[in-house]
Amino acid sequence: DAEITQSPRHKITETGRQVTLACHQTWNHNNMFWYRQDLGHGLRLIHYSYGVHDTNKGEVSDGYSVSRSNTEDLPLTLESAASSQTSVYFCASSATVVNTEAFFGQGTRLTVV
Amino acid sequence: GENVEQHPSTLSVQEGDSAVIKCTYSDSASNYFPWYKQELGKRPQLIIDIRSNVGEKKDQRIAVTLNKTAKHFSLHITETQPEDSAVYFCAAKHYGGSQGNLIFGKGTKLSVKP
Repeated sequence: DAEITQSPRHKITETGRQVTLACHQTWNHNNMFWYRQDLGHGLRLIHYSYGVHDTNKGEVSDGYSVSRSNTEDLPLTLESAASSQTSVYFCASSATVVNTEAFFGQGTRLTVV
Repeated sequence: GENVEQHPSTLSVQEGDSAVIKCTYSDSASNYFPWYKQELGKRPQLIIDIRSNVGEKKDQRIAVTLNKTAKHFSLHITETQPEDSAVYFCAAKHYGGSQGNLIFGKGTKLSVKP
């Protein structure tokens, strides 16, 4: 079955380290998104991509970057991890057809100490 | 950009009662409004959505209404059951690019007491 998977599921890292969270989908969706979820803030968009080599900044993009070298993957990189980036991160994907469901990965819980 | 406000932040109901969650959005160009349910420790999953050319949509015990003029939409759950307990997120499709992105409200934690 097609799916979207994130790895790792849990990670603890130190302040200042570079961290990469993986997101892989097998639906062949062109659209992929990264959100962070924090108590009291809901789901906030970090970066998104509408296709290979396309990347765009969301509402909370500072300190994060993404790259899209193929359809299946959109890794999220924290250039220099900060304690404020401790959060649960969700990747999502959707088909190109306008106004269709976005499917979420299982989430990655990142703790920056 | 788009801004989505969601109320209430917490809602507690007795099993069998109805629950209503309300959202407002700021961008009149938004035209797609999904609702996601997130159970504890799980991923958000779509439960119902509505497009701007429709005023109401129903799926069994769940219904969504949309008032484009007032820029607000609501989720209605009837005959609530303990398994309805979860966090519910509304979202609006904001067209910042060719496809648009989902901007989410802050969520409503629904507790259904048996």
